[in-house]
Amino acid sequence: SQTIHQWPATLVQPVGSPLSLECTVEGTSNPNLYWYRQAAGRGLQLLFYSVGIGQISSEVPQNLSASRPQDRQFILSSKKLLLSDSGFYLCAWKSWESGGTGNTIYFGEGSWLTVV
Amino acid sequence: DAKTTQPTSMDCAEGRAANLPCNHSTISGNEYVYWYRQIHSQGPQYIIHGLKNNETNEMASLIITEDRKSSTLILPHATLRDTAVYYCIVRVDSAGNKLTFGGGTRVLVKP
Repeated sequence: SQTIHQWPATLVQPVGSPLSLECTVEGTSNPNLYWYRQAAGRGLQLLFYSVGIGQISSEVPQNLSASRPQDRQFILSSKKLLLSDSGFYLCAWKSWESGGTGNTIYFGEGSWLTVV
Repeated sequence: DAKTTQPTSMDCAEGRAANLPCNHSTISGNEYVYWYRQIHSQGPQYIIHGLKNNETNEMASLIITEDRKSSTLILPHATLRDTAVYYCIVRVDSAGNKLTFGGGTRVLVKP
């Protein structure tokens, strides 16, 4: 069965510090990978998605970047965090196939980031 | 884009059926309707999806109108643990790669 792991689960970082959130998926090959952010009391905002190694699509201009060094690894980074980067970050994956069951997306448990 | 419209919030009595509506009047013929829910401080969880026919699984039932312009998620016997934000999604790009979520419906199940 497929599993998704992201870490760390919680972190508190000072403004201006770097960030690295990591996500890995097991039990599937060539998945589509996603990073979402959810500010407190708000909806899910798609940040990045990737359809393959080294292929990153950015949805919104921001202080963050994403990388996919391996097929089932997705990393969210920042060189200098801002207060507005605080939120709940979710990694997700779906099958590369389109339509029907192939569009079911599976989420990790999330990472709470507080920038102070 | 196939945009969805859901009520912002709704209350439901424990043990009763919860009927969650979703409007998607611009849905195209090859777009599926998906429902997810997010319990507080957790990642969203897949519930059910459908194209034209009504669907049922162990969690819920999905009723899609004949013209496909709206759908209803039914939780047959709501429990306190069903309190969550429920998202209806029909938006995908041509390759099915990008999935965006709307605001969802905040459902509160009351004892």
